[in-house]
Amino acid sequence: AQSVTQPDIHITVSEGASLELRCNYSYGATPYLFWYVQSPGQGLQLLLKYFSGDTLVQGIKGFEAEFKRSQSSFNLRKPSVHWSDAAEYFCAVLNTDKLIFGTGTRLQVFP
Amino acid sequence: DVKVTQSSRYLVKRTGEKVFLECVQDMDHENMFWYRQDPGLGLRLIYFSYDVKMKEKGDIPEGYSVSREKKERFSLILESASTNQTSMYLCASSYRGPKETQYFGPGTRLLVL
Repeated sequence: AQSVTQPDIHITVSEGASLELRCNYSYGATPYLFWYVQSPGQGLQLLLKYFSGDTLVQGIKGFEAEFKRSQSSFNLRKPSVHWSDAAEYFCAVLNTDKLIFGTGTRLQVFP
Repeated sequence: DVKVTQSSRYLVKRTGEKVFLECVQDMDHENMFWYRQDPGLGLRLIYFSYDVKMKEKGDIPEGYSVSREKKERFSLILESASTNQTSMYLCASSYRGPKETQYFGPGTRLLVL
């Protein structure tokens, strides 16, 4: 069965530091992959998505993600984190017509 | 901007009550979804709908039903609320097609006593 694993439940970084959030997927064919962010008290917002083509995907708010088939990974990165990036981040894979979400990674940003 | 609204941000109900959660979207989206979000479990799909009067079971439909009488509105119904249905409920909508971006409402935090 298709699944998504986010190994890190909670990550803490200092403002201005770089960030990488890990996502591993299990899927037989070429996966369609997504990253969503949930700010406190709000619904989820799409950061970026990958369907095919260039394996480095640019998203909103300065985020990017790299698809690595050999590692079954789709890690999210940002070169310099801002305090407003504190949120919960969800990786998801499309399974036929439904999204399968990971369990999320909560990001805390210290000044 | 796409707007998905949910009728309540917080709701407290008693065991056995019938509970209605309402979701409205203003973008003429064909698809609508109901998820529940629990710590450590992420989001799990309860039901979804591709069109008016159509519904499909998601991964955890037990104890829930849905109604979609108008394109813009998708209701989640807990026929007899139980304490294990205490959760955050998120509604989402998208254009037709599974690869379309889903737009989420702010969520309803339901407490069943």
